[in-house]
Amino acid sequence: RKEVEQDPGPFNVPEGATVAFNCTYSNSASQSFFWYRQDCRKEPKLLMSVYSSGNEDGRFTAQLNRASQYISLLIRDSKLSDSATYLCVVIDSGYSTLTFGKGTMLLVSP
Amino acid sequence: DAMVIQNPRYQVTQFGKPVTLSCSQTLNHNVMYWYQQKSSQAPKLLFHYYDKDFNNEADTPDNFQSRRPNTSFCFLDIRSPGLGDAAMYLCATSREILSSYNEQFFGPGTRLTVL
Repeated sequence: RKEVEQDPGPFNVPEGATVAFNCTYSNSASQSFFWYRQDCRKEPKLLMSVYSSGNEDGRFTAQLNRASQYISLLIRDSKLSDSATYLCVVIDSGYSTLTFGKGTMLLVSP
Repeated sequence: DAMVIQNPRYQVTQFGKPVTLSCSQTLNHNVMYWYQQKSSQAPKLLFHYYDKDFNNEADTPDNFQSRRPNTSFCFLDIRSPGLGDAAMYLCATSREILSSYNEQFFGPGTRLTVL
């Protein structure tokens, strides 16, 4: 069974904090990995893809550990506008669809 | 400009009364998807079309049907909505089969309430 597991939330952090989200996936043959962001009552939007070598986009850094089947997202210098639910998403080899984790809610307070 | 459009944004129906949700896209993408997302849960794929080829997820109830009359439009039909079908229904598209280089674009969703 395809499964993607994420940290339970919510994470409550002050502005400027660094926060890390973790995700594990069960299918070792999974090929592609993403973080999506979903605002309350809105659709998910792609935040960034996750590559084996790790990748960074401004304040956001994503890491992939294939051996441990583990994905992470680090947000530095949190802003109020970062408050959202962060979804870990996987494409399994042989499938043409996304498998979503339940998401972790982040609440950034002043 | 909106690329994946869903209508209506909010739909209220009665228990057992058939309802149709609509999705259209201006991207000319080959693949269209329908997801169901309940509160605090992950989006759950119901089915997808690659062009005209329909792909149903194994655990999608028979109560849910879909039609794709042309590239631009895809419909979700719920034949006899139950209280448990109240959810956000998300339509999405991708140009081709998904990969690291082939993004999926979501519409804003239709929130279905069943009375």
